[in-house]
Amino acid sequence: GAGVSQTPSNKVTEKGKYVELRCDPISGHTALYWYRQSLGQGPEFLIYFQGTGAADDSGLPNDRFFAVRPEGSVSTLKIQRTERGDSAVYLCASSLTLTGNLNTEAFFGQGTRLTVV
Amino acid sequence: SQQGEEDPQALSIQEGENATMNCSYKTSINNLQWYRQNSGRGLVHLILIRSNEREKHSGRLRVTLDTSKKSSSLLITASRAADTASYFCATDPNFGNEKLTFGTGTRLTIIP
Repeated sequence: GAGVSQTPSNKVTEKGKYVELRCDPISGHTALYWYRQSLGQGPEFLIYFQGTGAADDSGLPNDRFFAVRPEGSVSTLKIQRTERGDSAVYLCASSLTLTGNLNTEAFFGQGTRLTVV
Repeated sequence: SQQGEEDPQALSIQEGENATMNCSYKTSINNLQWYRQNSGRGLVHLILIRSNEREKHSGRLRVTLDTSKKSSSLLITASRAADTASYFCATDPNFGNEKLTFGTGTRLTIIP
């Protein structure tokens, strides 16, 4: 596609429910990143994939959060037993290679605004 | 946690004036990037500067990097109303860890 696509753009869920957030990266981009941005803050790293494998998941806040990228393209961020503190904008980005290599730019999607009520 | 901080947190200037935003960071970096964000949604990449570069230009943007002071600045010349947005610096560490670490952002408002 033309850019990184994230669905849904907005999601309202009840506390305790399970949610899935989807990211379609730019075709051919091997690296994929998830970030979370709370109101008034900068994005915070959650996890990144190189191909199908999670190369670094050190930013996931706890074991309620999990992300997959089974075929090395689309990724899904899964949140179990949602809490009100999970409310934030979840941003996905992709790049041709890892951002530290050959000055590769990361392209961001528009994000999914998750609201837990 | 945030790697660094942008300064100022908010800036309002008249259209046509220059806007300068600063970013400080804490650890060694491979490169530093500046992003713009409109309405709290998608981030747009503006410019990347490597750790061995001191200054870089792109259109009306000028970025400087001082690794000895662990700081960077973004200058937007001849500002336009469309430049109104939040601006973030993001650092890319040089320990083989490729994740970007963002600052807290500067909210820039251009007054027509």
